[in-house]
Amino acid sequence: QSVLTQPPSASGTPGQRVTISCSGGTSNIGSTTVNWYQQLPGTAPKLLIKLNNQRPSGVPDRFSASKSGTSASLAISGLQSEDEADYYCVAWDDRRNGWVFGGGTKLTVL
Amino acid sequence: QLQLQESGPGLVKPSETLSLTCTVSSDSIRSSNYYWGWIRQPPGKGLEWIGSLYYSGSTFYNPSLKSRVTISVDTSKNQFYLNLNSVTAADTAVYYCASGRGMVPFDPWGQGILVTVSS
Repeated sequence: QSVLTQPPSASGTPGQRVTISCSGGTSNIGSTTVNWYQQLPGTAPKLLIKLNNQRPSGVPDRFSASKSGTSASLAISGLQSEDEADYYCVAWDDRRNGWVFGGGTKLTVL
Repeated sequence: QLQLQESGPGLVKPSETLSLTCTVSSDSIRSSNYYWGWIRQPPGKGLEWIGSLYYSGSTFYNPSLKSRVTISVDTSKNQFYLNLNSVTAADTAVYYCASGRGMVPFDPWGQGILVTVSS
């Protein structure tokens, strides 16, 4: 049971916009920033969004994210086949004194 | 850009200790800019933070693993280490090392190493 809650799956067709939610609590998302990671099949995860809504260099602007209260969301617009991957949210948890992950969302491009 | 590489045995027997090394290149592990962490991923499952070590020497561990985990560093070798004792089959996973800066905990990551716990 992950501390941060994500839907296990999401899907969309090429060109569509999809969103992935990440729900937490006051000890994590509600009191700090959220980072998002993309894990392509068979590879190590890669930082996709940092500090709630900042794209690292090289990440297309099709990827965006936001945070409100104790929840965060990742949006992917202009969906492409290469976006098919697992997506994870991560935040620091003050009560657990450690980093907590969402359970991950598997994105399928139909 | 930092580069990290995990190494260690791919097979560990139940009840023994899993020991992994992460070698850091392109910057000094002594740098106060970074901290160092381990994450694991059981086959077909999600990511789990194991623990992190800060340049001050402080360590933070996942409460569910804390009694079995030690993360340490050897600055002369630019390496940091993971020891997980009393392993069971449930510890079978791909183990990743990663660096962190501020509130961005894992960037970049090593490529990962599969460790299987089996007799």
